[in-house]
Order: sequence, then C-alpha cells, then structure tokens
Amino acid sequence: IAGITQAPTSQILAAGRRMTLRCTQDMRHNAMYWYRQDLGLGLRLIHYSNTAGTTGKGEVPDGYSVSRANTDDFPLTLASAVPSQTSVYFCASSDSRPSQETQYFGPGTRLLVL
Amino acid sequence: GDSVTQMEGPVTLSEEAFLTINCTYTATGYPSLFWYVQYPGEGLQLLLKATKADDKGSNKGFEATYRKETTSFHLEKGSVQVSDSAVYFCALFNTNAGKSTFGDGTTLTVKP
Repeated sequence: IAGITQAPTSQILAAGRRMTLRCTQDMRHNAMYWYRQDLGLGLRLIHYSNTAGTTGKGEVPDGYSVSRANTDDFPLTLASAVPSQTSVYFCASSDSRPSQETQYFGPGTRLLVL
Repeated sequence: GDSVTQMEGPVTLSEEAFLTINCTYTATGYPSLFWYVQYPGEGLQLLLKATKADDKGSNKGFEATYRKETTSFHLEKGSVQVSDSAVYFCALFNTNAGKSTFGDGTTLTVKP
C-alpha cells in the first residue's frame, strides 16, 4: 500500500507558468487536503474536498484551484505562478468517519517559482 | 474560530533528557487532539492522538493527555534520543465543523 503519492518531488518554475501538482491516494479516504508549509508560518490549508465531486476553500486559496473527479485523485493547479507561491506543498487525506480523523500526508512537492 | 498554540522552538536537548512541548487549544465542542511528527524531508505523520477528555495517547515513548479543564495536550517523553530530532505539530479536529487546525510546529534537536 503506497498511501499518498505526490508528483513531482520538486520543481523549478518560471513566474507566469501554469503548473499542476498531482496527488493520489489508495486508501479510499473521502476527504483530501492541500497545504503549503512555509518557514515560520506552519501549515496553511489551501483547498479541501470532503468527498468526490465537492471542493472547498481553505485559509489561503487565492491563486490555486483544485478538482476532485474521483476518490483517489486531488490535483492542485497554479494557473499563473508567482514567486510568493514558492513553498513546500503537502497533500493529505483522511477517513471522514467519526474517530477516524487522522490525516495521512504525502511526502511533499518542493516548488520554487522564479 | 479554532486555534492551536504550541510552545515556540527551537528546542535543543541532550540525549536522555526529559522533553515537554506545550500545546493549548481553543475550540467549540469536543475536538479530537493529535500530535504529528515531521522528520527532515518528509511529510507529517501521526505520532499519537486522543479523542476525549482524560484520554492518554502514547506511541514510541511519547505521551500526551487530553486535559479539558486546561484545554491542553502537552507532549512528553522521558528520555529523548537523537532520532527524535524532528518538527512536532499539535493539532485538533473539530467534529462539529469537520475541519482540522494545526499549530505552527516546534523544532526539536537532540544532541548526542
């Protein structure tokens, strides 16, 4: 069982370019999340999805979009990257049943926008 | 809204020292509480959790007790090892709101 996989592992991107970060889970979890982690700012929620076909905005959604066409995949798209989006991005998933709220995180994507 | 406040780091200890990382929270209702650990270059992983008041979560020698009266969930370990060097995140899950809130993380470095 792989858990959660993210791709790419790291990327250098020119400002203004479009980029999709991929996230796939094989645990059949209902809920999925995208966070960014920046030094001194902890984890900040970008977008989430409680179930396939639905998405919601987190704390810092501007400049990002997501889709949830099926249970397993939850891609994050930067339509036109800016340097302030340089960060480490983590995808996570959880089972939405009560007392099963543990989040399982992917290994992260390190993005540098120049 | 919900919030989690944890002890600012970095924390540096010698091997076999006692560890405490403080965590307090504010939330409506009765949240579940978590400690996650992030090793260098990796994603977060669950260390321990507690789902109701007075529950004690424990794993790998770490412990934390859900204290509703003080709204706290302090992380402790009696004797740390170099391999415990990592960033530790306190978090809560608000069942009513259906969302998680994370603290800012505390970096622990254990020296031999």
